Amino acid sequence: NAGVTQTPKFQVLKTGQSMTLQCAQDMNHEYMSWYRQDPGMGLRLIHYSVGAGITDQGEVPNGYNVSRSTTEDFPLRLLSAAPSQTSVYFCASTGQLSSPLHFGNGTRLTVT
Amino acid sequence: TQLLEQSPQFLSIQEGENLTVYCNSSSVFSSLQWYRQEPGEGPVLLVTVVTGGEVKKLKRLTFQFGDARKDSSLHITAAQPGDTGLYLCAVNFGNEKLTFGTGTRLTIIP
Repeated sequence: NAGVTQTPKFQVLKTGQSMTLQCAQDMNHEYMSWYRQDPGMGLRLIHYSVGAGITDQGEVPNGYNVSRSTTEDFPLRLLSAAPSQTSVYFCASTGQLSSPLHFGNGTRLTVT
Repeated sequence: TQLLEQSPQFLSIQEGENLTVYCNSSSVFSSLQWYRQEPGEGPVLLVTVVTGGEVKKLKRLTFQFGDARKDSSLHITAAQPGDTGLYLCAVNFGNEKLTFGTGTRLTIIP
């Protein structure tokens, strides 16, 4: 049982490059979300989805796009990477918000 | 933006000591989750508290939900090196988002 799988684990980008962080879950969860984690700031919500075809913005959405074409996958796209996007990114899923969030192991992104 | 403040931000204590960390909000919430995160991994749920004044115990960890439903505490008795990690509280303020606190980074020194 894989749970939530994130790829890649590490990535280095140059300013202006684009890339997609992948997230897949095999628990048939409707709710999926992306967070970024920076020192001293906990986890901040970037985007979330309550089901296939539905996405919405979180606290810090600028510079990121998402789509949810299937229940299993929720990729996060950086359109034009900036040094301020250097962070650790976590994908999470749950059946409903009153239940625990299941997290992936994160993607550590460095933008130079 | 509704905020969750956790204190202290950092805590380093000797093995065997007791400690308490706090999670506070200016807004009332219906339930709160506590997570622990270890290096290189995602957070893992420890407990959910749902009733004002509720106390839950998980071995040496005691979680309390404030009567006013605006705060929570986590008390660890006889801390062990395995308790080292980042402790995060999280709340759904009635929208479709789970808001996390700023975290307490705990280090237990053997």
